[in-house]
Amino acid sequence: QVQLQESGPGLVKPSQTLSLTCTVSGGSISSGGYYWSWIRQHPGKGLEWIGYIYYSGSTYYNPSLKSRVTISVDTSKNQFSLKLSSVTAADTAVYYCARDISLWGQGTLVTVSS
Amino acid sequence: EIVLTQSPATLSLSPGERATLSCRASQSVSSYLAWYQQKPGQAPRLLIYDASNRATGIPARFSGSGSGTDFTLTISSLEPEDFAVYYCQQRSNWPQTFGQGTKLEIK
Repeated sequence: QVQLQESGPGLVKPSQTLSLTCTVSGGSISSGGYYWSWIRQHPGKGLEWIGYIYYSGSTYYNPSLKSRVTISVDTSKNQFSLKLSSVTAADTAVYYCARDISLWGQGTLVTVSS
Repeated sequence: EIVLTQSPATLSLSPGERATLSCRASQSVSSYLAWYQQKPGQAPRLLIYDASNRATGIPARFSGSGSGTDFTLTISSLEPEDFAVYYCQQRSNWPQTFGQGTKLEIK
């Protein structure tokens, strides 16, 4: 069955760029008409949709983060990625990748600290 | 952005009891409302999509209802593993948004 796994640095310095990758296994990222999303959850708080990339390559970003976010896909590696620039402590969160609304990765904690 | 308001914030019940959780949207989301369960250290798990459809593998004790702006998640008879945080989420408008969650705790 299809599984998603996030990977990337667990610690990022303020003002730097957070970079995460989601590896999709058990299925092709370029088939099926799905949208592939990034969602985050601040410690002890609720959930925030960061954005998504559609299988066709089109993207949507949450307006609250749009100026700092890029989501891209590498079909050759069956991966999609998140870049969030100019991070601050407020970007400390568990970051999840997801396919549509039904399939989520386990999440990865990213801490922004010097 | 559509705001989802969940109530109550915390619900204290005993195993075997019926749980009723509410989610109200700031504007109509039609039936594009989902419910998730989240346990500590885990990703949210989809329970209900499009207001009333159970996701694959979800027990029949979970049911969803509503449309427009008012939605309900009902757990007919609580099992010990049901005590968790529950979120509603709308996909009617982008950005998709989540409610702030209802914590279902053991009484």
